[in-house]
Amino acid sequence: NAGVTQTPKFQVLKTGQSMTLQCAQDMNHNSMYWYRQDPGMGLRLIYYSASEGTTDKGEVPNGYNVSRLNKREFSLRLESAAPSQTSVYFCASTEAGTGAGSYEQYFGPGTRLTVT
Amino acid sequence: ILNVEQSPQSLHVQEGDSTNFTCSFPSSNFYALHWYRWETAKSPEALFVMTLNGDEKKKGRISATLNTKEGYSYLYIKGSQPEDSATYLCPIGATNKLIFGTGTLLAVQP
Repeated sequence: NAGVTQTPKFQVLKTGQSMTLQCAQDMNHNSMYWYRQDPGMGLRLIYYSASEGTTDKGEVPNGYNVSRLNKREFSLRLESAAPSQTSVYFCASTEAGTGAGSYEQYFGPGTRLTVT
Repeated sequence: ILNVEQSPQSLHVQEGDSTNFTCSFPSSNFYALHWYRWETAKSPEALFVMTLNGDEKKKGRISATLNTKEGYSYLYIKGSQPEDSATYLCPIGATNKLIFGTGTLLAVQP
């Protein structure tokens, strides 16, 4: 069981470039999440998906798009990277779909993204 | 707007000390309260999920209590060890997601 995996681990982009962060889980979980972590800000939710084919905005969705490709995979796309998107990005998953707020989340190892 | 406040922001203790932190949240429309431990260069790991007023949970030297009527939870660590050094998070559960505060950073000196 690999749990939640994320690729890449590190990435440096120039302003205006695009890229996709990949996340996969092998626990047959229904809900998946993308967070960003910035110093002094805690974890902030970007987007989440409570089931295959559905996505919802979190607290800070601007500048990002997501795709729930299937039950296992949830990708995060930056169409035109900006320095303000320099952050550490974490993917997480949890067993439940609806009502997931009372289930523990399992986190991936994170992707450290720098936009210059 | 759901908001989580944690105090203190950071804490330095000596090995063997017992310590506790506070998590405050809106008491109306309570759904769930989680505690996570987040070690440097690692990912957050769940410690407890609590849903009922008066809930108490324990895992080894770590325990937590929940008061949903007044909107707070305490995390206690008995006999702190250097390996307890981490940021402790207490997100509140909304229907389909978690809402995080900034956490309490604990440093345990040997």
